[in-house]
Amino acid sequence: NAGVTQTPKFRVLKTGQSMTLLCAQDMNHEYMYWYRQDPGMGLRLIHYSVGEGTTAKGEVPDGYNVSRLKKQNFLLGLESAAPSQTSVYFCASSSLSGTSYNEQFFGPGTRLTVL
Amino acid sequence: GQNIDQPTEMTATEGAIVQINCTYQTSGFNGLFWYQQHAGEAPTFLSYNVLDGLEEKGRFSSFLSRSKGYSYLLLKELQMKDSASYLCAVQRTDKLIFGTGTRLQVFP
Repeated sequence: NAGVTQTPKFRVLKTGQSMTLLCAQDMNHEYMYWYRQDPGMGLRLIHYSVGEGTTAKGEVPDGYNVSRLKKQNFLLGLESAAPSQTSVYFCASSSLSGTSYNEQFFGPGTRLTVL
Repeated sequence: GQNIDQPTEMTATEGAIVQINCTYQTSGFNGLFWYQQHAGEAPTFLSYNVLDGLEEKGRFSSFLSRSKGYSYLLLKELQMKDSASYLCAVQRTDKLIFGTGTRLQVFP
């Protein structure tokens, strides 16, 4: 099993350009998450999904959109990139949540620079 | 913010014991996780506490007091490879809310 994979690993964009980050998991997990990690800020939740066809906003959703058309994939889109979106982006997945133990498994990250 | 507080940096010596504290707001609490993150890598799961008390897993132990909104991660017999960031995260319904992390440096 590959676990959680992210594409691409690195990307440089110019302000105003758009791009899509792809996350894929092969563990049949229901829940998927997109985080960004900035120095001194820790991991902050952008959007998440509790199942195929559903998405919800996290702490810092502005400037991002997501889609979960297939259970194993979770896409993060930047429609018009800004320098403030320079960050490392992590995708994670977990099995059924709620009050039960639901360890999140993280992908290797995407390092995005917006010039 | 979500008021999850942990020290920014700590240093320790190889072979020693170190305790990393985490305090959090108790509202909507469903459990507490500790993750380890080496520089340039993804976070990896270390421990989970939902009931008060100590959970031991090899050289690592994690403690929780729900009434006090307090947890700690205890690392024994420190090794150089333990140099990493340690992230405290509180589960609230479907989400994990992370603290800013504690960067631990282990010296010979």
